[in-house]
Amino acid sequence: DGGITQSPKYLFRKEGQNVTLSCEQNLNHDAMYWYRQDPGQGLRLIYYSQIVNDFQKGDIAEGYSVSREKKESFPLTVTSAQKNPTAFYLCASETGGGGADTQYFGPGTRLTVL
Amino acid sequence: GQNIDQPTEMTATEGAIVQINCTYQTSGFNGLFWYQQHAGEAPTFLSYNVLDGLEEKGRFSSFLSRSKGYSYLLLKELQMKDSASYLCAVRDGDYKLSFGAGTTVTVRA
Repeated sequence: DGGITQSPKYLFRKEGQNVTLSCEQNLNHDAMYWYRQDPGQGLRLIYYSQIVNDFQKGDIAEGYSVSREKKESFPLTVTSAQKNPTAFYLCASETGGGGADTQYFGPGTRLTVL
Repeated sequence: GQNIDQPTEMTATEGAIVQINCTYQTSGFNGLFWYQQHAGEAPTFLSYNVLDGLEEKGRFSSFLSRSKGYSYLLLKELQMKDSASYLCAVRDGDYKLSFGAGTTVTVRA
């Protein structure tokens, strides 16, 4: 089946540790996105990539880093510089054609920093 | 920045109709999406509007007025499984999606 996978579903880390969230898609989509969701707030864009080996900062990139070495994969690292990392993280992808192009979301990773 | 507003919560009875409004102010406009999100799960696509008017998909319909910066999602014949959060998202002039905070709909028996 085609889709987007994120792992793990739940992740616990100690304060000060870096952690990497996985996102893989087999939809052959060019564009991939990382969002953060907090209670009572809309999804906020962290980073996005429209093509392999290229990515741009979103609205809240500070304390995060990404890589896009393969079309299928767009891992997100939450660094110790991120002041409030506990949140629900969603990865999404789309063909990259813009306009009516629908974003498809992975199941999400809930990160809790203790 | 982009500004997308929708009510925080709505409650309705099973079998009834609920209308979720969304107003937006964005730099450029390339379409408006509605997504459904059950608690702890991924958002799933419901509808897309880019031209003014009503788009109907079964029990769900979505309306857009670009001149008013306004959309609504209409849910008819409500079922218990429709209890979820509904997200309004606008694709701006740079083709990025900006999301509203979501409207939590509770369907009561």
